[in-house]
Amino acid sequence: GNSVTQMEGPVTLSEEAFLTINCTYTATGYPSLFWYVQYPGEGLQLLLKATKADDKGSNKGFEATYRKETTSFHLEKGSVQVSDSAVYFCALYSGGGADGLTFGKGTHLIIQP
Amino acid sequence: DTEVTQTPKHLVMGMTNKKSLKCEQHMGHRAMYWYKQKAKKPPELMFVYSYEKLSINESVPSRFSPECPNSSLLNLHLHALQPEDSALYLCASSQRWGQGAREQYFGPGTRLTVT
Repeated sequence: GNSVTQMEGPVTLSEEAFLTINCTYTATGYPSLFWYVQYPGEGLQLLLKATKADDKGSNKGFEATYRKETTSFHLEKGSVQVSDSAVYFCALYSGGGADGLTFGKGTHLIIQP
Repeated sequence: DTEVTQTPKHLVMGMTNKKSLKCEQHMGHRAMYWYKQKAKKPPELMFVYSYEKLSINESVPSRFSPECPNSSLLNLHLHALQPEDSALYLCASSQRWGQGAREQYFGPGTRLTVT
């Protein structure tokens, strides 16, 4: 079956630090990969996506590259802000129809001023 | 517009009550989903509707009853819930057919407390 593994944290960084959140996956076929972000008390927001190998998704300064050879989709940001504090979920979709996403356990990110 | 709306935002109900959660999207998506999310956990899939038909029910107890009146609306009817059903209930939607990443767009959720 499908699975997603990511560091759970909490990950605590200082403002303007470099961020990496690791995500690796196991899936049948060629999944699409996503990062979602959840701010306290809110639903999930799609942060970025990639649909095939070597695709780079990017949004709001965050980037992730679909690496098929290492089955990874690590999230990076060059300079984090306090407002980036949230829970980040790596997810994949590999179904042929209207199936649910497979989520990692989530990484709680805390940015200190 | 990638908005999914959910009402109510918060709901407190007793174990003998009957209530409903509502979800709406106007993106033309033909797949809609209910997820349950407990604190500090990822969302867990409950139901999937495709073209207004229930296509996946992830062994959810019968005290949760989904309904899809039309392609834009999704309801979750609640009856005789247990305190352990307290959670954030998230609705999501996605395109049904065609090429694409099949990304899902989530609503803000309904925070349910069962007393």
